[in-house]
Amino acid sequence: DAMVIQNPRYQVTQFGKPVTLSCSQTLNHNVMYWYQQKSSQAPKLLFHYYDKDFNNEADTPDNFQSRRPNTSFCFLDIRSPGLGDAAMYLCATSRDRVETQYFGPGTRLLVL
Amino acid sequence: GIQVEQSPPDLILQEGANSTLRCNFSDSVNNLQWFHQNPWGQLINLFYIPSGTKQNGRLSATTVATERYSLLYISSSQTTDSGVYFCAVERSNYQLIWGAGTKLIIKP
Repeated sequence: DAMVIQNPRYQVTQFGKPVTLSCSQTLNHNVMYWYQQKSSQAPKLLFHYYDKDFNNEADTPDNFQSRRPNTSFCFLDIRSPGLGDAAMYLCATSRDRVETQYFGPGTRLLVL
Repeated sequence: GIQVEQSPPDLILQEGANSTLRCNFSDSVNNLQWFHQNPWGQLINLFYIPSGTKQNGRLSATTVATERYSLLYISSSQTTDSGVYFCAVERSNYQLIWGAGTKLIIKP
């Protein structure tokens, strides 16, 4: 089945230690998104790629970076995680902008 | 910016009951999507419904764009329907504006 895959499902890191989360998709969608979701809140968009074109949200901290080396893969790098970055990180894809978004299972990040 | 309000914020029902969830939005939108997030965090797209009515099994949704609201109907609820239901709208760019969600608990 075509799907969105996120690894790892759970990630524990130390305060200030860089961490990378990964997302892959077999849907061959043009657009890939990274969301941050904290407890009892709606997902918050961090950035998205339209093909290779990177689009950063204005309020996304510089501490968060992303890479999309090819159509299938997208990475979220957190350069110096703080306690406030502990959250669920969701990757999503869509065939084009303004179309149905398909989400991966998420990576739950814990910062010690 | 556009505001998205969902009601009720919480809903507790017995298995087998029917429910209606509402999403109001403050301005015209290009699209509206309903999502279900299960207790393990997985978000599933239920409907892409900028206007009109769609049905998928026990779930159906209606969006009345001119009156700026959408309704999600769940019939014959099952315990697996538990979770948070989000409405999200898109107006003039790629970004979805999310409501705060309705937390649904279905008791056996």
